[in-house]
Amino acid sequence: DSGVTQTPKHLITATGQRVTLRCSPRSGDLSVYWYQQSLDQGLQFLIQYYNGEERAKGNILERFSAQQFPDLHSELNLSSLELGDSALYFCASSPGLTNERLFFGSGTQLSVL
Amino acid sequence: KNEVEQSPQNLTAQEGEFITINCSYSVGISALHWLQQHPGGGIVSLFMLSSGKKKHGRLIATINIQEKHSSLHITASHPRDSAVYICAVETSGSRLTFGEGTQLTVNP
Repeated sequence: DSGVTQTPKHLITATGQRVTLRCSPRSGDLSVYWYQQSLDQGLQFLIQYYNGEERAKGNILERFSAQQFPDLHSELNLSSLELGDSALYFCASSPGLTNERLFFGSGTQLSVL
Repeated sequence: KNEVEQSPQNLTAQEGEFITINCSYSVGISALHWLQQHPGGGIVSLFMLSSGKKKHGRLIATINIQEKHSSLHITASHPRDSAVYICAVETSGSRLTFGEGTQLTVNP
């Protein structure tokens, strides 16, 4: 058990809909990272938050947004969903600003039908 | 050409064999990571290294910055080592760029 909690584990929705994925980092970790893993594009870095502030941005679509709350949990919001958004979404946390000591959640499997 | 290339894509070994997975990259990096993804999908960070060599149990990771190459070695392989091994490089800040992974199967 990594200590990183992601909910829900599975999500099935329709095109055009909006969903929210939630991540609780390990106790004491200040950084939260979001990644997308799809069959055609593999793993991709989406975004990093550190202590509530956005720190780094990757291949995150404009239809996607994220935030980190004062209690350090994070949410990834995906809107106007398309079939191609179907993927496994991972959250990870680390104690500080860097990727050293990265701990992954078990992921949320999103299926857009 | 991908920024991060792994070889081989698939690897089958017999229990006890010494295994090597390679990772080459084409960009300047600040660090390189090796990750393990279990059949159930969960990801575990194995190593983060920026130079030299690191060892943890039966796993050894090396990096040659000049040659832009890293290797992950598994000694005395075991069926429980069966997983996908993913190389990832840190470019700017904490952004990771991932390789496509190496599917390792260790048969008893």
